[in-house]
Amino acid sequence: EIVLTQSPGTLSLSPGERATLSCRARLSVSSSSLAWYQQKPGQAPRLLFYGASSRATGIPDRFSGSGSGTDFTLTISRLEPEDFAVYYCQQFHSSPYTFGQGTKLEIK
Amino acid sequence: EVYLVESGGGLVQPGGSLRLSCAASGFTFSKYWMTWVRQAPGKGLEWVANINEGGSEISYVGSVKGRFAISRDNVKKSLYLQMNSLRVEDTAVYYCAREWMVRGVRSFDSWGQGTLATVSS
Repeated sequence: EIVLTQSPGTLSLSPGERATLSCRARLSVSSSSLAWYQQKPGQAPRLLFYGASSRATGIPDRFSGSGSGTDFTLTISRLEPEDFAVYYCQQFHSSPYTFGQGTKLEIK
Repeated sequence: EVYLVESGGGLVQPGGSLRLSCAASGFTFSKYWMTWVRQAPGKGLEWVANINEGGSEISYVGSVKGRFAISRDNVKKSLYLQMNSLRVEDTAVYYCAREWMVRGVRSFDSWGQGTLATVSS
């Protein structure tokens, strides 16, 4: 199975700052097979990006996704209070469709 | 609007069984792949199983193969997960999600709120 490693495990930032979250795959995956989700406490995950860089419906443009091969990045240009959550990447390159372990974005 | 509502979770002893259900509305259920994802308490997300539109293609994560069975009823617009020989490590919130594919790109675009299955003696 394809292992995804997210870094950092926890990111402490202040509102207004820029956040950069990394997702690294042990094997190369097509950019079309990488998704990002946001999960807040007590809630289901919410799709942010599909195909590494295509924003899902309703996702603000301060969020951007990029990357290819083994290295993918989720960037939040200016953090809003509602952006503090856990973020997961997921690959659909091959079954099982593994998730990264998550990055917790917390308020500094 | 897409709605997915899971039910059937609860407390069961190791070795026991549970059947989870997911009722779908707001979209043409029979035209979508569907999936189950679980999340152990305080842990990350784990994809469990998926099923194609007609139920003829099914996949599982290795840890549940031979114990869990995913199925669907397109008339009732429902997804199911039969979980047998349950283990303590199967304790998790189980989410059903819709698989959305556009131009060959897959993602889970709609999720239910989850149902908690607890395996404990």
